[in-house]
Formats: sequence, structure tokens, C-alpha cells
Amino acid sequence: GAVVSQHPSRVICKSGTSVKIECRSLDFQATTMFWYRQFPKKSLMLMATSNEGSKATYEQGVEKDKFLINHASLTLSTLTVTSAHPEDSSFYICSAPGGGDTEAFFGQGTRLTVV
Amino acid sequence: GQNIDQPTEMTATEGAIVQINCTYQTSGFNGLFWYQQHAGEAPTFLSYNVLDGLEEKGRFSSFLSRSKGYSYLLLKELQMKDSASYLCAVMDSNYQLIWGAGTKLIIKP
Repeated sequence: GAVVSQHPSRVICKSGTSVKIECRSLDFQATTMFWYRQFPKKSLMLMATSNEGSKATYEQGVEKDKFLINHASLTLSTLTVTSAHPEDSSFYICSAPGGGDTEAFFGQGTRLTVV
Repeated sequence: GQNIDQPTEMTATEGAIVQINCTYQTSGFNGLFWYQQHAGEAPTFLSYNVLDGLEEKGRFSSFLSRSKGYSYLLLKELQMKDSASYLCAVMDSNYQLIWGAGTKLIIKP
């Protein structure tokens, strides 16, 4: 099946720094990538939808200047958490839509810890 | 608005059967998915239902009633490794997945 590779799996950064998370579709072209955030014991919260070659669509309440999303090619989407703060510590995960009766394809997730 | 409801937590015994329910109200319906998620890992696909009825896949079965906006995931012969969160997600008219909050399943020996 389709594979989405997400990197890094874990990252610890200092407050005020920026962190980039990459998601690559390895054997298919992903025109759309969903970015989720997940708090402990909570479900996935959709942050934004990235579309190749156009601006990302952010969900209400998500700061687009803080969570920069770039989808420059059909195989790569990135999420940059800028000026990270401890409250940004979370599990971030990307997924490419399967469409119709096809499952969504998830990256492995990134555990971000801001100290 | 769109809403997916499932129990927060369930407990079951190893070897037994457990049913996790999911009710939904969404803008359109293009199928319902069940995912399993172990802590700190990405969700893994379990099942997909778009027509009413029961879909069986090994120890796991999923049922859908579109008229009732209801689905359940049935897990048989429970094993300790089945301890995980189970997420119900509905694909709406825009083909976007709407996620439930997940049900944490605890398996006891």
C-alpha cells in the first residue's frame, strides 16, 4: 500500500526555536496532505490541509503564522512550528487522503517536546 | 454541526468479546472507518463500511446502519495486544475524515 514517511519521529527543542517536520509520500503523489495534532488521550485534531502548489487551508483557531505549512511538490509537505513554546509540545501527524473506500495513509508521527 | 460519539474508555477480559459503539451526525456520508492506535504511534486501519451490514475480518468485525447513524466495532478472542485506542472516523460529503475522540480499550488478564 501507499506509504507516507514522516521525519523526525521525535524532537526536543528549546523555547523560541523553530522545528520543521517533513512528510513524504514514497510511492505515490500526494496532492493533498492533512496535518493533525494529538494531545494525550485525545483524538486527532485537524490543523490544516496542504495542497500542492497552493496555500494551505487552516482550521479555525490554528495560527497560520505559527504553523507554517508548505507543499512544494507532489511528494513532500512540511510543517514548521515557529517560535515554539512548551504548550506546542504534542504529537503531530500527517496523512494523505485515500479517497472513497481507501484508507487514509498516515505518517509515523512526530513527538515534539519544547523545553 | 458534525459530531462523532464513542465511549471514552472500556474494559474487557482477555479471551472475551467487546463491542465499541460509534454514533455520528455528519454533512453527508462517504463511509465509516475504524482505526486502532497504540499510544505514541500512528493509527492503523482496521475496517471500512459504506453499505449497511456487517463486515468481518478475522477477529474484528464492523457493522454499519446508515439510517441510524450508527456503527460498532466487534473484537473477538481479545488479546492483551488489543489494548489500544479505537478511533471511529466518518468521511463526509467533501471526502474529509471527521474523527471521533477515540475509545481507550483496556484488556485485563
